[in-house]
Amino acid sequence: EPEVTQTPSHQVTQMGQEVILRCVPISNHLYFYWYRQILGQKVEFLVSFYNNEISEKSEIFDDQFSVERPDGSNFTLKIRSTKLEDSAMYFCASSLPRGSYEQYFGPGTRLTVT
Amino acid sequence: SQQGEEDPQALSIQEGENATMNCSYKTSINNLQWYRQNSGRGLVHLILIRSNEREKHSGRLRVTLDTSKKSSSLLITASRAADTASYFCATDERDYKLSFGAGTTVTVRA
Repeated sequence: EPEVTQTPSHQVTQMGQEVILRCVPISNHLYFYWYRQILGQKVEFLVSFYNNEISEKSEIFDDQFSVERPDGSNFTLKIRSTKLEDSAMYFCASSLPRGSYEQYFGPGTRLTVT
Repeated sequence: SQQGEEDPQALSIQEGENATMNCSYKTSINNLQWYRQNSGRGLVHLILIRSNEREKHSGRLRVTLDTSKKSSSLLITASRAADTASYFCATDERDYKLSFGAGTTVTVRA
């Protein structure tokens, strides 16, 4: 069964450094998403992406964050200058076009900012 | 903002028993989805119920939706140790984002 994959599974970085989290969505999906889950807290929506542009973003997704689909398979989340509070599990998800709303999630990247 | 809230926060049952958890939300939705998360792992999609549906089944899972009460329930029948996980409801106002609740942690004792 097709699945969303994410790399790396765990990323440790120092405060102020840039990180890029990578995702390979399910191949025929057209909508892509990033969510995050701070330890012990709810899963929070960050951004959705369709047709090479951001569809919607939350208040968390400030200028430090950006997303890109650099080729036909990868979907990336970049954090330009990480803060301690960016430490969380980051999940990528994808879904089929309109009419089928299930979002399928990857296993997550645990980001630790020290 | 739109959010699902699960109840109870935690549930401990014996293997073979049924587990029921509830989700309440605040405003109109397109659909409601249930996910499972094993400790420290990703979210596994379980079932989606649309706003015009009242009940849906998938294997040992039964989901109901009452839009007049803005609530949903997830029933797991004949629970197994492998069902031990956190269960989240997520509401979808539009097509572009899900709002998750805090989850119900289910422990199935052998």
